[in-house]
Amino acid sequence: AQSVAQPEDQVNVAEGNPLTVKCTYSVSGNPYLFWYVQYPNRGLQFLLKYITGDNLVKGSYGFEAEFNKSQTSFHLKKPSALVSDSALYFCAVRDQGSARQLTFGSGTQLTVLP
Amino acid sequence: DSGVTQTPKHLITATGQRVTLRCSPRSGDLSVYWYQQSLDQGLQFLIQYYNGEERAKGNILERFSAQQFPDLHSELNLSSLELGDSALYFCASSVTSGGAIDTQYFGPGTRLTVL
Repeated sequence: AQSVAQPEDQVNVAEGNPLTVKCTYSVSGNPYLFWYVQYPNRGLQFLLKYITGDNLVKGSYGFEAEFNKSQTSFHLKKPSALVSDSALYFCAVRDQGSARQLTFGSGTQLTVLP
Repeated sequence: DSGVTQTPKHLITATGQRVTLRCSPRSGDLSVYWYQQSLDQGLQFLIQYYNGEERAKGNILERFSAQQFPDLHSELNLSSLELGDSALYFCASSVTSGGAIDTQYFGPGTRLTVL
């Protein structure tokens, strides 16, 4: 079985400050890991993914995520937050060996304050 | 814009009714996935089709069914609707069926309201 935990329902950060949205995962094999963002009344937009290799993954809109196998984490980061980054962020996992579907976390609402 | 289209955007219907949601994948994508997003259950995988064949099944109710047609568009059929079926239904598509290169791209969703 595969699962994802996003421990924070809400993250608030001031514009210009760095942001981190946390994610931990559980899979029986090796993971594929993803971050998606959802704006109000919109679908999910793909931000970035980890397949293998470099632990630091760079994605769209200046976002990056760090894969940490020992801590089973895949935290999303951005060096300088924008008000327009305010949205709902989802972490997702897929077990390389056994699953085709994504298992999503419960989501983290990011609010960037001007 | 992901290239995945879903119709209709909104659907309001009554309990006991049947509805059909439609999804067209991105050009070149062979896999279609259906997900349900609700406040109490979050985002849940329902079912996957690859090139017309069912490939994976998640928490899909027996009252729900899906199919993928030769032109690769997919339909999700929901019948005997209950109040609890009110949710946002997403379709996603990807090139293959779970390979390393696969990224699922999501459509804008269909918001279903059952009254």
